[in-house]
Amino acid sequence: DIQMTQSPSTLSASVGDRVTITCRASQGISSWLAWYQQKPGKAPKLLIYKVSSLESGVPSRFSGSGSGTEFTLTISSLQPDDFATYYCQQYNTSPYTFGQGTKLEIK
Amino acid sequence: QITLKESGPTLVKPTQTLTLTCSFSGFSLSTTGVGVGWIRQPPGKALEWLALIYWDDDKRYSPSLKSRLTITKDTSKNQVVLTMTNMDPVDTATYYCAHRTIGGGALDIWGQGTMVTVSS
Repeated sequence: DIQMTQSPSTLSASVGDRVTITCRASQGISSWLAWYQQKPGKAPKLLIYKVSSLESGVPSRFSGSGSGTEFTLTISSLQPDDFATYYCQQYNTSPYTFGQGTKLEIK
Repeated sequence: QITLKESGPTLVKPTQTLTLTCSFSGFSLSTTGVGVGWIRQPPGKALEWLALIYWDDDKRYSPSLKSRLTITKDTSKNQVVLTMTNMDPVDTATYYCAHRTIGGGALDIWGQGTMVTVSS
């Protein structure tokens, strides 16, 4: 299995901050990486697919980058609605594994 | 508009078999490139990918659970069924089904999830 490791596990930030979450794959996954946002009691929501493509309706303050085995999700200016847990997922090779999640908390 | 909804028992006993149904609308599982996956999330824990079935009946499973999982589709009913045998309390989780995008494979639309508790 390809292991996906996210860092940090928890991130404390304030409204207006720029934040970056990192996801590392245990082997190359080409560009087959997605980012999801999950709020308590809700299903995950797709934010970004294929490393950097923004899903329809997702605010432009979200962006993704990276290649090979290291990827990042950046939120350019945190809004109150962005405090949630974020997961990366590789869909290059089955099983299509998720990272362990990054909880973004209000400082 | 694509929607998915999971259904099944909320409580199962240890050693029993769990059967979950994902009923969907807005797409056909006979369309090239389409897939439906199952993902679970134990309380307070991370997402765990379980299985996925493609339009051509290709099936993929989590290796750690492969011996216990079966995924099938009924194209005429717009349903995907996941069975998991020999349930254990550690299988207590919210189970989600999700639509796989045709273009690449990310999961773009998710069901609301169904909570399954394993307890005697």
